[in-house]
Amino acid sequence: GENVEQHPSTLSVQEGDSAVIKCTYSDSASNYFPWYKQELGKRPQLIIDIRSNVGEKKDQRIAVTLNKTAKHFSLHITETQPEDSAVYFCAASNRGTGRRALTFGSGTRLQVQP
Amino acid sequence: DSGVTQTPKHLITATGQRVTLRCSPRSGDLSVYWYQQSLDQGLQFLIQYYNGEERAKGNILERFSAQQFPDLHSELNLSSLELGDSALYFCASSGEAGVRNEQFFGPGTRLTVL
Repeated sequence: GENVEQHPSTLSVQEGDSAVIKCTYSDSASNYFPWYKQELGKRPQLIIDIRSNVGEKKDQRIAVTLNKTAKHFSLHITETQPEDSAVYFCAASNRGTGRRALTFGSGTRLQVQP
Repeated sequence: DSGVTQTPKHLITATGQRVTLRCSPRSGDLSVYWYQQSLDQGLQFLIQYYNGEERAKGNILERFSAQQFPDLHSELNLSSLELGDSALYFCASSGEAGVRNEQFFGPGTRLTVL
């Protein structure tokens, strides 16, 4: 089955700096890669996603890049703010099958220091 | 608010007991996914139902079972509970016709087994 590895496990940045979180996946059939933000005790919330036919996607201060050949995808947050502090999860799934369950990375705890 | 509802919010029970967690998907979504989030295991996929039928199984123990009813709500049954079953249980829903396959998570049920 699919295996998703995520790095780093913790990340501390100064307000205004950029943050980068990286994930690798093992199953070349995976074609959908969402990122979720989870605040303490809350539900995971989708913040951005990318499909395998796209190399990069941007939404305001958040961007995701995908390298299908290397099976890498990354989340980039620019101009970080204290409210960006949370745990971020990457995930992968195969939309081509009826299953579509998400395989999650282990999470990155991002702390933005004011 | 994602539109996915889960009850109860908290559940405290004893080892050996049985509990039922309930999930109502977003209006129009046919797929329901169950995930378990524990401190040491991260977010793990348990099982998926689509329009009343089991579609995929993940790391679900034999002591756990689920079903999806004609009105599309789903229940996750956990029996012979052990201390290690203490976790946050999330359900998520998605529509099958959408291109992006977004999964929207409910607020979760926090299960504590004493």
